[in-house]
Order: sequence, then C-alpha cells, then structure tokens
Amino acid sequence: ETGVTQTPRHLVMGMTNKKSLKCEQHLGHNAMYWYKQSAKKPLELMFVYSLEERVENNSVPSRFSPECPNSSHLFLHLHTLQPEDSALYLCASSQEDSDGFTEKLFFGSGTQLSVL
Amino acid sequence: GENVEQHPSTLSVQEGDSAVIKCTYSDSASNYFPWYKQELGKRPQLIIDIRSNVGEKKDQRIAVTLNKTAKHFSLHITETQPEDSAVYFCAASETSYDKVIFGPGTSLSVIP
Repeated sequence: ETGVTQTPRHLVMGMTNKKSLKCEQHLGHNAMYWYKQSAKKPLELMFVYSLEERVENNSVPSRFSPECPNSSHLFLHLHTLQPEDSALYLCASSQEDSDGFTEKLFFGSGTQLSVL
Repeated sequence: GENVEQHPSTLSVQEGDSAVIKCTYSDSASNYFPWYKQELGKRPQLIIDIRSNVGEKKDQRIAVTLNKTAKHFSLHITETQPEDSAVYFCAASETSYDKVIFGPGTSLSVIP
C-alpha cells in the first residue's frame, strides 16, 4: 500500500513468551525506525537505524531488542514483556541526505500488541 | 531535551469552519517542524512541514506558521471537511528524526 509493510498486524502474547515484529520497506530508504504508540505517549521513538547503524535510545528497556540485517528489513524482538508494553508498534522509513537530514517519515500500518 | 506541547487535545468544528492547532517547543536549536495526520485505524502521514528559515507555508487548505522567537508554531485548516477528522501531531527536530519529538496530538472532529 505505502511501501512499508509490518507483520503481524495483531499479536497477543504472554509475559514469558518470545516474539518478533517484522518490518519491510520497498522504498529504497536508508533509515528505519521503531515507534511506540499508546494513550500515554502517542508517538514515542524507540530505535533508529541510519545506514544500518543503530542509534541508541537509552530509555528503552532491554526486553526490546531491534535488529536491522539490511536497509530494507527491521525487526523488533520481544521477550519477557510487561502488560504496560501493550501498544501499537509502528515501523517507519525515510531517506537521509548526506547531512543526516530527513524530511518525511513513511509509516507502516503497525502491529497492535497485547501482553497478557 | 526537547519538549513539545500541543493544544487543544480535542477540537470540534462545523464543516466549513476553520481549525487551528497550536504547538510550543522548548529547544531553540530545533529548526524543522512537521505535521502528521493519523486517521482512525490508519498510519500517520506527513501533511505539511516548515523549516525555521520561513515563517509561513501554505498548501491548499492547510497552512503552518512559525514564530521562532516565541517558539511556537500552528496548523491552520480552512474550509474544513469531514475527511479532515483525524488526530494531528506536531513535531520538532534539530536536524533529523533521531532527535524528533512529537506532541501529544489533537483529535479533530469536523461535524457535517
């Protein structure tokens, strides 16, 4: 639809489970992002991969682990999550110029995660 | 760090009226201010943006104004239509999206 696809669309998991979210972009972009969207913090940046290098966000708990095997794919590995981690997880991509500037984010449809 | 506030949190207008959403930011180094629209159940999409070297930008019924001295910027939608109903997010960034901070959003309802 828009060039950024996320799977699965919905995920229910227990606190002891391990699962992964997948994102793929078909736009030829060189930067990818994970955002968390919840009622408390509507659009909260979690991780950025720029030219396949990760930009750390120190406020994200270690139970969230990103992986970017190439510029088109991004994963978010989940383990021992808490109920408060229930949210919509949005992937996005963009094209950064040589100055590291990017103007437009292209979002995926998101994965609605429920942690029981 | 940067902090972006947005008002109002909810806004209802009659079809055809104008809608104004206001945002303030704290980091004077921010120089890029995008606005995203998120319809119910859909992904956020960029609708307009402005850089700090201009004070106003317009695209058909949508306009954004920026006051760098006061550190606030606003989204103006004229002749509103029911399809304008959505949540609107403002954001501020110094240079790139690894530093962008989004506002809490404004839920706009356009009543036919």
